[in-house]
Amino acid sequence: DVKVTQSSRYLVKRTGEKVFLECVQDMDHENMFWYRQDPGLGLRLIYFSYDVKMKEKGDIPEGYSVSREKKERFSLILESASTNQTSMYLCASSLWDFTRDEKLFFGSGTQLSVL
Amino acid sequence: DAKTTQPPSMDCAEGRAANLPCNHSTISGNEYVYWYRQIHSQGPQYIIHGLKNNETNEMASLIITEDRKSSTLILPHATLRDTAVYYCIVRVTIHSGGGADGLTFGKGTHLIIQP
Repeated sequence: DVKVTQSSRYLVKRTGEKVFLECVQDMDHENMFWYRQDPGLGLRLIYFSYDVKMKEKGDIPEGYSVSREKKERFSLILESASTNQTSMYLCASSLWDFTRDEKLFFGSGTQLSVL
Repeated sequence: DAKTTQPPSMDCAEGRAANLPCNHSTISGNEYVYWYRQIHSQGPQYIIHGLKNNETNEMASLIITEDRKSSTLILPHATLRDTAVYYCIVRVTIHSGGGADGLTFGKGTHLIIQP
């Protein structure tokens, strides 16, 4: 089975801190994604990457950056955390083929609280 | 991508078939219908997807109407563990440019299985 592992289940940070959320997948997937999930707003795509060192903005990239130095690892960075970034963060990966089958595999999520 | 409409919540008795409807009246010819679900405190999980024909796998069946304007996800013998939010997503899959750009999740249907 595909495994997508997020480094922390719960994280508490202070306003202004630099925050790193790490995600690792073990199935050699090309594509990786970061979403955030908030009550009433559903899942929203922050950034995604379809190859090492490649990144694309999703629907809500402001206040975030990402890094993909290795195929299996995709990091989400909050340069200066703010209280409105308190959320559940979900990482996902998918295998790319010519049909672009969007079968995403998700991690269990990181609940980030910014105080 | 075409928009989808789902009821916000549904109940189903344990052991009965759960039929979850999805309306996607603006779907175009190259858009697939995907279903995911999210059990509380977990990341979304892929269930099934299809283009025109009905599909079945070990988790569920997907029935797509002939005009493709709506579909129904069927869980044949619902159990308490099927209580979750179910997302219907319509997505263009084949792109000449390759790569990936994620999925847009709406608010879904909260399915509650009653004992």
